[in-house]
Amino acid sequence: DSGVTQTPKHLITATGQRVTLRCSPRSGDLSVYWYQQSLDQGLQFLIQYYNGEERAKGNILERFSAQQFPDLHSELNLSSLELGDSALYFCASSVANAGSEAFFGQGTRLTVV
Amino acid sequence: GQQLNQSPQSMFIQEGEDVSMNCTSSSIFNTWLWYKQDPGEGPVLLIALYKAGELTSNGRLTAQFGITRKDSFLNISASIPSDVGIYFCAGQLSNDYKLSFGAGTTVTVRA
Repeated sequence: DSGVTQTPKHLITATGQRVTLRCSPRSGDLSVYWYQQSLDQGLQFLIQYYNGEERAKGNILERFSAQQFPDLHSELNLSSLELGDSALYFCASSVANAGSEAFFGQGTRLTVV
Repeated sequence: GQQLNQSPQSMFIQEGEDVSMNCTSSSIFNTWLWYKQDPGEGPVLLIALYKAGELTSNGRLTAQFGITRKDSFLNISASIPSDVGIYFCAGQLSNDYKLSFGAGTTVTVRA
């Protein structure tokens, strides 16, 4: 158990809908990263927050947004969902802003039908 | 994002063999991390490297941070069936916050 908690574990929704994925980082970690992993694909970086502030942005679609709350949990919002958004979404956390070990949650498997 | 070239893409190995995989980049990295991912699970951190030339072991796993800071390798000694999975390298630039991942090496062990 990495200490990073992601909910829900599975999510099935229809095209055009909006979903929210939740991540609770390890105790003491201030940094949260979100990654997308499509079938047979590597881990694509979406966005990083550190202590409530956005610190880095990857290839995140405009339909996607995220935030980190004062209690350090983070949410990834995916809207106007398309079939191609079906993927595993992982959250990772680390203690520092950069240059430290990141620990991953179990992921949320999103299926858009 | 930064391009990490991980090789080989896949490998079939005999139980008991030693295997090696590596990651290279055109950029200098501050941190190299190696992860293993089992199907349907999140990546699990195996080894973290922070200094050029650093050699670190975790059981049968050994990883090194290249002297040029542009590469890293991971060795698995005396492979066993539970070594099956996808191994990812990840790196972080000194002036960047995100962790960039290689495409992964899929390891299959022949019993």
